[in-house]
Amino acid sequence: EAQVTQNPRYLITVTGKKLTVTCSQNMNHEYMSWYRQDPGLGLRQIYYSMNVEVTDKGDVPEGYKVSRKEKRNFPLILESPSPNQTSLYFCASSFSPSGTFYEQYFGPGTRLTVT
Amino acid sequence: GDSVTQMEGPVTLSEEAFLTINCTYTATGYPSLFWYVQYPGEGLQLLLKATKADDKGSNKGFEATYRKETTSFHLEKGSVQVSDSAVYFCALINQAGTALIFGKGTTLSVSS
Repeated sequence: EAQVTQNPRYLITVTGKKLTVTCSQNMNHEYMSWYRQDPGLGLRQIYYSMNVEVTDKGDVPEGYKVSRKEKRNFPLILESPSPNQTSLYFCASSFSPSGTFYEQYFGPGTRLTVT
Repeated sequence: GDSVTQMEGPVTLSEEAFLTINCTYTATGYPSLFWYVQYPGEGLQLLLKATKADDKGSNKGFEATYRKETTSFHLEKGSVQVSDSAVYFCALINQAGTALIFGKGTTLSVSS
């Protein structure tokens, strides 16, 4: 089954404790992206990757890191989480975001709480 | 920069009622437009799309027409069902083609 998976689905952590949220897709997509969803703000892009070893900042990259060492994986790293990073996080992938639109497939989401 | 504005919710309807969720956008040029749906506890799914002016996207009884004159892409359904209860997001692809720009989302609740 074609899908985007994220782990963990739920995470409660404390300020300053490094964490990684994993994202994996099995569709051989070049493009992957991370969004955060906050009430009243919709979804905002954190980082994106056009292909392996190619990443760039989205609208709200502060406090986050990403890496793209393999085509299928795109982990989101919070090196020193803070309470304002409490949010619902979505990973997405597609064949390519530009030109003719290819549908972006979204993962099920990771709900992160930082206390 | 690019932006999407959609009507605030929640929208509460009875089964078989007519649905309209308004969406307007600000963008350079004529970007592709989308409606995504998020069912409780799930990720986003593409509901429909339109890639150029006057295109009509449709799926599962939902429709939306790309109106460049009014920069709008309103979502409509003639007869909603309880199973349509979800959060609906209007979105466009940014000019660089690197991100979807979303509206804030509209929660729809349909009762029987």
